[in-house]
Formats: sequence, structure tokens, C-alpha cells
Amino acid sequence: ETGVTQTPRHLVMGMTNKKSLKCEQHLGHNAMYWYKQSAKKPLELMFVYSLEERVENNSVPSRFSPECPNSSHLFLHLHTLQPEDSALYLCASSQDLGLSEQYFGPGTRLTVT
Amino acid sequence: AQSVTQLGSHVSVSEGALVLLRCNYSSSVPPYLFWYVQYPNQGLQLLLKYTSAATLVKGINGFEAEFKKSETSFHLTKPSAHMSDAAEYFCAVSDRNFGNEKLTFGTGTRLTIIP
Repeated sequence: ETGVTQTPRHLVMGMTNKKSLKCEQHLGHNAMYWYKQSAKKPLELMFVYSLEERVENNSVPSRFSPECPNSSHLFLHLHTLQPEDSALYLCASSQDLGLSEQYFGPGTRLTVT
Repeated sequence: AQSVTQLGSHVSVSEGALVLLRCNYSSSVPPYLFWYVQYPNQGLQLLLKYTSAATLVKGINGFEAEFKKSETSFHLTKPSAHMSDAAEYFCAVSDRNFGNEKLTFGTGTRLTIIP
């Protein structure tokens, strides 16, 4: 247990569906991250939040919409996804931005049909 | 721009044998370097990190890595492999742009332990 939980662990959705991924950290951290992990590709940083403000958006398509209502919770809202969006989505948190260690959740395995 | 290259997407070693996972980095400034491990159905866990102190870094589970500037390498080693070491290992680099540090990950090396 790393102190970062993600729900659901598995999600299958059609291209016209709307769903949300949830991440919660119980570590008192100030920064949270969304990563995408696809087979045979490096981990891709999608979004970074610090103190509930988005500080990084790595050219992610608008069909992915993050939300950080407080420093403990991070959501990723999904709509009209494409099959190539199927991947493992990992949430992470760290004490602050910068080089403090990132703690990862177990991920949500997303399949878009 | 910084990058890391992990040589060998799959490595198999016998139980009790030396583990060597290779990582080479590219960075315009002295980097910070990390190794993470991912067990099946889990997120990534930090094994060790280099932040410009000692060049030989010791991590958890008996792993260590040596920063070699002349070779731009940060290879991960463990003297004696254990079955529980079977996992995927990721090397990552971060530049020292204070306030905007980002981790850039390699593509990973899957380690298989042969009984």
C-alpha cells in the first residue's frame, strides 16, 4: 500500500460513453499527477496539479479533462475516447513539486471498445 | 531535452545470479536519476535515486546503481537475484530546472527470474 488509491481498477467503455477515474491520496501531499502507461512506450505525464492548481498539461487531447477539487483528490473525466486511449492510467502524488519522491497508485486499466 | 534509454526490454537471469539492468541518459545539465519498480497489477515504487551525492546509490531490496558521468550511465545491479525480483523496472531522469522538474521515463525492462 502506497497511500494512493485509484478507482475503478478496471474500466471498459464505449467511444460514446462518459466516465471518470478517481484518485485519492492519504499522505498529506500537495502535488498530484496523471500518467498514461501504454505497452512498449515510456510513461507519459499527462497533468500535474500543485495545491489544486493545474501546473502542467502535456498537450493532452480535450477528451481528457482533469479535476482537482482538493489536495487529496484527483479525477480524470473521460468522454468520446478512441481505442488508442486504451492504457493503464496511473495517479501519483508527491509532497511538493520538484524532486520529492512520487508515490504511485495501482492504476486503472482502461479499455475503449 | 532529457531522455533515457533502457537497453533490453526483457532480461532473464537465474535465481542467485547477478542482475544488471542498463540505463543511459541524455541531459544538458547534471541530472537527477531514478529507478522505479512495477510489480504486476501495481503502480510504480521508487527503488533508489541519485541526486549528486555519492555516485554509488543503494536502494531497497538489495539493489544499487552507480552514476557514471563519463559513460552517461546509471545501471541497476543486484548481486543475487531472488524470485520476488521479477517485475518491470523503469529508469527515469529529471533535469534540475527548479520548480519545473519533470520525470522522463524509459520504456522499461521486464526482469524474469529463472528458478
